[in-house]
Amino acid sequence: EIVLTQSPATLSLSPGERATLSCRASQSVSSYLAWYQQKPGQAPRLLIYDASNRATGIPARFSGSGSGTDFTLTISSLEPEDFAVYYCQQRSNWLPGTFGGGTKVEIK
Amino acid sequence: QVQLQESGPGLVKPSQTLSLTCTVSGGSISSGDYYWSWIRQPPGKGLEWIGYIYYSGSTYYNPSLKSRVTISVDTSKNQFSLKLSSVTAADTAVYYCARDGGPMGFDYWGQGTLVTVSS
Repeated sequence: EIVLTQSPATLSLSPGERATLSCRASQSVSSYLAWYQQKPGQAPRLLIYDASNRATGIPARFSGSGSGTDFTLTISSLEPEDFAVYYCQQRSNWLPGTFGGGTKVEIK
Repeated sequence: QVQLQESGPGLVKPSQTLSLTCTVSGGSISSGDYYWSWIRQPPGKGLEWIGYIYYSGSTYYNPSLKSRVTISVDTSKNQFSLKLSSVTAADTAVYYCARDGGPMGFDYWGQGTLVTVSS
């Protein structure tokens, strides 16, 4: 099973600051990596698919990069509504796979 | 706008079978463009993909749950369903259904339904 490790577990930042979230896979997943945002009491929302493609309606301040085993989600300037938990998720051989443990972005 | 809605009992006894249904509106399961997945999240914990079904009935399950999971589809009702057998307290979770666009990710989700396993 491919394990996804997200770091840091918690990121304390202020609105307007840049957030950089990391997701590392235990083996290559090519570019088959997605990022989701989840707020309390809500379902996750797709942000990024195929490592770097923004989903429909996602603001340009969200960007994804990486391939193979190392991936990054960047929020260029945090808005108040961006404080949430972020999960990465891999697909190997096109099949849905594991999620990472999540990174909580909290207000400093 | 595609919408998904989970339904089913919120309380299941240990050793029994958990059964949930997801009703899809605003889009047809039979279009063949997507897979249809179940995902769960224990309280305060992370996400776990359970399995998916295609409109044709073909399925793929998470190997860790495969022996207990059955996902089925009813295209006439635009619904798909989850059965998880021999449940324990560890199966207590919010269960989500989601539209699975393959490499394009899970792009639409239901609101989720909490299922508690307790006697």
